[in-house]
Amino acid sequence: KNQVEQSPQSLIILEGKNCTLQCNYTVSPFSNLRWYKQDTGRGPVSLTIMTFSENTKSNGRYTATLDADTKQSSLHITASQLSDSASYICVVSAGGYNKLIFGAGTRLAVHP
Amino acid sequence: EPEVTQTPSHQVTQMGQEVILRCVPISNHLYFYWYRQILGQKVEFLVSFYNNEISEKSEIFDDQFSVERPDGSNFTLKIRSTKLEDSAMYFCASSEVARLAATYEQYFGPGTRLTVT
Repeated sequence: KNQVEQSPQSLIILEGKNCTLQCNYTVSPFSNLRWYKQDTGRGPVSLTIMTFSENTKSNGRYTATLDADTKQSSLHITASQLSDSASYICVVSAGGYNKLIFGAGTRLAVHP
Repeated sequence: EPEVTQTPSHQVTQMGQEVILRCVPISNHLYFYWYRQILGQKVEFLVSFYNNEISEKSEIFDDQFSVERPDGSNFTLKIRSTKLEDSAMYFCASSEVARLAATYEQYFGPGTRLTVT
């Protein structure tokens, strides 16, 4: 069964600190892996998209890594800001017409 | 910047009633999707739509659901006879194209919160 697992479930950090979120997946056939940011009550917003041949991709203070062999990905957030408080969702596209399989997300709270 | 819009933002309906959720995808996009998110749970894929027909659907998308592109701009999700468990946030998304191994971005709308009482 196609699954995407994320850890930790929730995380609290102080403003200015870095953090890393983890994602493991069992999805076949693998097409690509995405990280989304979702503010409460809003739609997900894309941060990065990576295919199996890409190991790392950055978007400002967000850096995603992908290890297609171990089926693991991480999202590193540098110099966190209060506005980074949101859920971060790992999403894997299972081939076909970009059908997306969502993880449960990591709820990040950045405190002053 | 173009964006996906959805109406209404919140819909309250009684069990057994029909509801239609509306979406206006980004204008040059060709591929459309519906997802739902039950409160506190994962976002779940419902259906994808291309060239005026369903391309893929999940096991959630049973006979009580239907989608339609009634004109050149709107994309709708109809739930024929709502149940309490249909209460969720429904997200519409669109992308330029969709091919195997493609990395085309899916842009999500703000969602419609459906409450079935």
